[in-house]
Amino acid sequence: EVQLVESGGGLVQPGGSLRLSCAASGFTFSRYWLHWVRQAPGKGLVWVSSINSDGRTTGYADSVKGRFTISRDNAKNTLYLQMNSLRAEDTAVYYCARDYSNSMDVWGQGTTVTVSS
Amino acid sequence: QSALTQPASVSGSPGQSITISCTGTSSDVGNYNLVSWYQQHPGKAPKLMIYEGSKRPSGVSNRFSGSKSGNTASLTISGLQAEDEADYYCCSFAGSSTWVFGGGTKLTVL
Repeated sequence: EVQLVESGGGLVQPGGSLRLSCAASGFTFSRYWLHWVRQAPGKGLVWVSSINSDGRTTGYADSVKGRFTISRDNAKNTLYLQMNSLRAEDTAVYYCARDYSNSMDVWGQGTTVTVSS
Repeated sequence: QSALTQPASVSGSPGQSITISCTGTSSDVGNYNLVSWYQQHPGKAPKLMIYEGSKRPSGVSNRFSGSKSGNTASLTISGLQAEDEADYYCCSFAGSSTWVFGGGTKLTVL
């Protein structure tokens, strides 16, 4: 079964850091672009970041550029999102998703990040 | 990276057809045939319904169709069913390894 499972969410103070992980199974991880997408409580989906199959090409939303870093370990079939200088507005459910022809065809269940003092 | 523009809500009766619009710019929707549409039920992860503007993934009902004209993409759902009630989001590739979502549309089946 093709599956993505996020972890690493939690409560963090403003200005703090958190690293999210996304473990993949059921497909050849190293062949796919991957994305992080977030959804604040009661709000819509927002694309956050993407990374190509070998990890050398990345993209970021302006709202997280310079604070978040996407990376992957193809040997471990795992995607990461390092989040620094967190703000209240980063509070959201964070989803990882597999890219298919510039769309997102497989999604994880999400992990919740809460930024609050 | 401005969000694509979708109507906040649409509604229709069972059996009817509805269309959700998604307006972007010449830098995203208008420049690429890479609009995708997602269905999201409350508390669930999004589900891909349309990719590359008009293609349906395996398993998605042919009641769902997509199109594009200029800077505006559209999702049409025909033969509305109760289970179609959900939030719908469009998304477009925007170049330079970036993507942008629409604000979302809440579909109510009356």
